Amino acid sequence: EPEVTQTPSHQVTQMGQEVILRCVPISNHLYFYWYRQILGQKVEFLVSFYNNEISEKSEIFDDQFSVERPDGSNFTLKIRSTKLEDSAMYFCARGTGVNYGYTFGSGTRLTVV
Amino acid sequence: GENVEQHPSTLSVQEGDSAVIKCTYSDSASNYFPWYKQELGKGPQLIIDIRSNVGEKKDQRIAVTLNKTAKHFSLHITETQPEDSAVYFCAAIGTGNQFYFGTGTSLTVIP
Repeated sequence: EPEVTQTPSHQVTQMGQEVILRCVPISNHLYFYWYRQILGQKVEFLVSFYNNEISEKSEIFDDQFSVERPDGSNFTLKIRSTKLEDSAMYFCARGTGVNYGYTFGSGTRLTVV
Repeated sequence: GENVEQHPSTLSVQEGDSAVIKCTYSDSASNYFPWYKQELGKGPQLIIDIRSNVGEKKDQRIAVTLNKTAKHFSLHITETQPEDSAVYFCAAIGTGNQFYFGTGTSLTVIP
């Protein structure tokens, strides 16, 4: 069983629609992250979440994005009004602490049409 | 912020040969450098990491070296096998514990 489960594996949405990507870390880790990877490009940091609060966010993570851990287990990334350029693989990850490697989920492929 | 450069972007080797992937980073404060392997359709998987207080680390056929003065680090895979074929990413940690990834190296091991 994967340590970090992401759903859905693939989502197609129309431009302007809201999407929610879900991640179940299945652990008691405190550090969670969202990254994205546009096809053929590097993995880019979006946001880090520690102790149920955003600790860092990148320039990509603008007002259209939000994260929540609504029930203490699921970790969600919401994009309020999707744009074509939001099409990418989105990975969540969990960490054990500062200066330790992450465990990434298998990703959600978001396609905005 | 941190800037990580990685090369080559593609690498083909014969099975049994060695493969070397190199990365440079810009922020001298970075002190943790993981390497990830990404197979098609999967998320990145941590394969080895190194901290700034050591110069080399080895795990079976995989080794990583770090030169803090020059701000570069390398991944070495010996006795390559077809299952080593994947995209490899280096990364360096920045403030706030986020990783800055390199652009990736697509490694193909030819049987």
